[in-house]
Amino acid sequence: GQNIDQPTEMTATEGAIVQINCTYQTSGFNGLFWYQQHAGEAPTFLSYNVLDGLEEKGRFSSFLSRSKGYSYLLLKELQMKDSASYLCAVRDRGGGSYIPTFGRGTSLIVHP
Amino acid sequence: DAGVTQSPTHLIKTRGQQVTLRCSPKSGHDTVSWYQQALGQGPQFIFQYYEEEERQRGNFPDRFSGHQFPNYSSELNVNALLLGDSALYLCASSLDRDRAPRSPLHFGNGTRLTVT
Repeated sequence: GQNIDQPTEMTATEGAIVQINCTYQTSGFNGLFWYQQHAGEAPTFLSYNVLDGLEEKGRFSSFLSRSKGYSYLLLKELQMKDSASYLCAVRDRGGGSYIPTFGRGTSLIVHP
Repeated sequence: DAGVTQSPTHLIKTRGQQVTLRCSPKSGHDTVSWYQQALGQGPQFIFQYYEEEERQRGNFPDRFSGHQFPNYSSELNVNALLLGDSALYLCASSLDRDRAPRSPLHFGNGTRLTVT
């Protein structure tokens, strides 16, 4: 299986930049997803990386290094509404499953 | 275009009872996965259904069972409820991994199950 590690909680200031890290161990890596989940709501898809490098999508960017088993989600120009839990999920093709396994999530608190 | 819908939104049951949760996938999606999310944790994979069959199963006991119907909707059944089954149950739909390998999961708002 996978071992996915991300910080439990982070705080940042409105307008600033924050980087949320995710490290993983897997034998058959087949993609990494980032999801945002506001309290009491469904997780919503943010980004997908399968090749090394940076994927940019508006204020959000996601980076992947497969050799290091490492990804980060970069949030720019933070807004109060960005306060949420950010989930890193790794897909493994082991056993033909391709099922994403989720980390525990990083709770981001944005303050004025 | 309706997204993933789940019912009911909240449910309170007693230990030993049985419960059925329902899910309708996003239009055009044919694969349904169920996850259990405890407070402060990430979603844990229960099982996935495709073409009305259970394609993959996570580390959950046989008390957890499911079904997928010809219209791709799905049910999750839990028998002999335990206090530890209290959690948010999330349904996620996607396109078949062979046809669309980059297809992300689209989640419903979940069913909050409380077992007393």
